[in-house]
Amino acid sequence: DAKTTQPNSMESNEEEPVHLPCNHSTISGTDYIHWYRQLPSQGPEYVIHGLTSNVNNRMASLAIAEDRKSSTLILHRATLRDAAVYYCILRDGSTSYGKLTFGQGTILTVHP
Amino acid sequence: EAQVTQNPRYLITVTGKKLTVTCSQNMNHEYMSWYRQDPGLGLRQIYYSMNVEVTDKGDVPEGYKVSRKEKRNFPLILESPSPNQTSLYFCASRPPGTGNTGELFFGEGSRLTVL
Repeated sequence: DAKTTQPNSMESNEEEPVHLPCNHSTISGTDYIHWYRQLPSQGPEYVIHGLTSNVNNRMASLAIAEDRKSSTLILHRATLRDAAVYYCILRDGSTSYGKLTFGQGTILTVHP
Repeated sequence: EAQVTQNPRYLITVTGKKLTVTCSQNMNHEYMSWYRQDPGLGLRQIYYSMNVEVTDKGDVPEGYKVSRKEKRNFPLILESPSPNQTSLYFCASRPPGTGNTGELFFGEGSRLTVL
C-alpha cells in the first residue's frame, strides 16, 4: 500500500489559517486522498477527500499538487475545537476491499 | 440521530474469558468494519463486512471473530482474550453506493483491558 508522511505535530493560533501537509510520493493513479481527524476521546471523523482537483467543503479545503505526490489540508480559521490528530490516508478506488490504513497523523494544537 | 453505537465503552476482563463488543448503526449502511488503535501503530483494520453474511479479514484478524446476521449489527467476538488484545476498538460504517471513496462513520470507541 502507498504510504503517507505527515509532520508529528503543528501549532496554530485561534482564528488563523492552518496548512497541514502530507507527502505521498508513491501514490497510484487510482488512490484517493482522504483526511480524517480524531478529537480527544472520540472516534475518527471524516474531513474531506479528493482525487486530482482541489476540493472545498464546510470543514476545510484540500489542495492537491499537480503531480499528486503531496497534498495540504487547509483549515481557514482554526478554532479550539479543531485541536485534534489529523490523518492523511490513501484509499485505492479500484478495489472493493475498503481498507483504510491510518498512519501516525499530525497532532494539531490550537492556542487561544 | 444518525450514529454508530458501540458497547461496552469500557471493559476490564481477564485472559480467556469470552467477550463480545457490539456495534450497531442506524443509517442502513451495508459496509461495516472493526479497527483497533494502539499507541505508535495507528488504526489497524481487524475485519470488515461488505453486506449481510459477507465478512472478510483485515490486517490483524488473529484472535477475533465477527458475524453479520443483520445489516445494522456487526459484533466483534474475542473467544479467548489475551493481554495483547488490550486496545481501543472502533467500529465504522459506510453509506451504500459510495465505494471506496465514501465517508466512514466511526463509533466512539470501546476501551478493552485484558489482565
